[in-house]
Amino acid sequence: QITLKESGPTLVKPTQTLTLTCTFSGFSLSTRGVGVGWIRQPPGKALEWLALIYWDDDKRYSPSLRTRLTITKDTSKNQVVLTVTTMDPVDTATYYCAHIGSGSGNYYFDQWGQGTLVTVSS
Amino acid sequence: QAVLTQPPSASGTPGQRVTISCSGTSSNIGSKNAYWYQQLPGTAPRLLIYATNQRPSGVPDRFSGSKSGTSASLAISGLRSEDEADYYCASWDDSLSGWVFGGGTKLTVL
Repeated sequence: QITLKESGPTLVKPTQTLTLTCTFSGFSLSTRGVGVGWIRQPPGKALEWLALIYWDDDKRYSPSLRTRLTITKDTSKNQVVLTVTTMDPVDTATYYCAHIGSGSGNYYFDQWGQGTLVTVSS
Repeated sequence: QAVLTQPPSASGTPGQRVTISCSGTSSNIGSKNAYWYQQLPGTAPRLLIYATNQRPSGVPDRFSGSKSGTSASLAISGLRSEDEADYYCASWDDSLSGWVFGGGTKLTVL
């Protein structure tokens, strides 16, 4: 059974750096074809993909946020970390991490964590 | 502004069939698969359809997906009150080299 859980601060100040950790179980990020991604959702708004990392350390970032994002993995701890620099109130959102699985030759987000709400305010 | 375009709302009565559309471009849905997620109030998204028309185990066959050109659709037959939720489409975009989502459709069961 795959489970993921996000953790990190619930409140950050503008200009600060946000560090979120996704701790997972039920799979290994050293297994070929596996990945983890981050997606966020501002209150009452749509989902927005942020970044992903694959088993082979291949990383992809949202073009609009690329300069502010860094994603890393710690295979031994079963964790993926996302950092977002220069936080702004518009970054207030629920941040989700999700397992990237495969089926029919495709890779996609198939299991999601419960999400963690991050508020940016002074 | 979401890359994929969905109607903001849809509705139907119990037992009815409803369809939700998702319009994209040649760099995403036109050449890649579509995915659909259901988000019940206060919960995380749940995968409903992968690879355009495949259902994960546990998803009722009342849910089905299809694609034509640069648009994808999610159909829900035998509508139930528990289907009231937000629905999001998603796809990989080759031009952006990343995932794109629709703006979401709020489904109301009357």
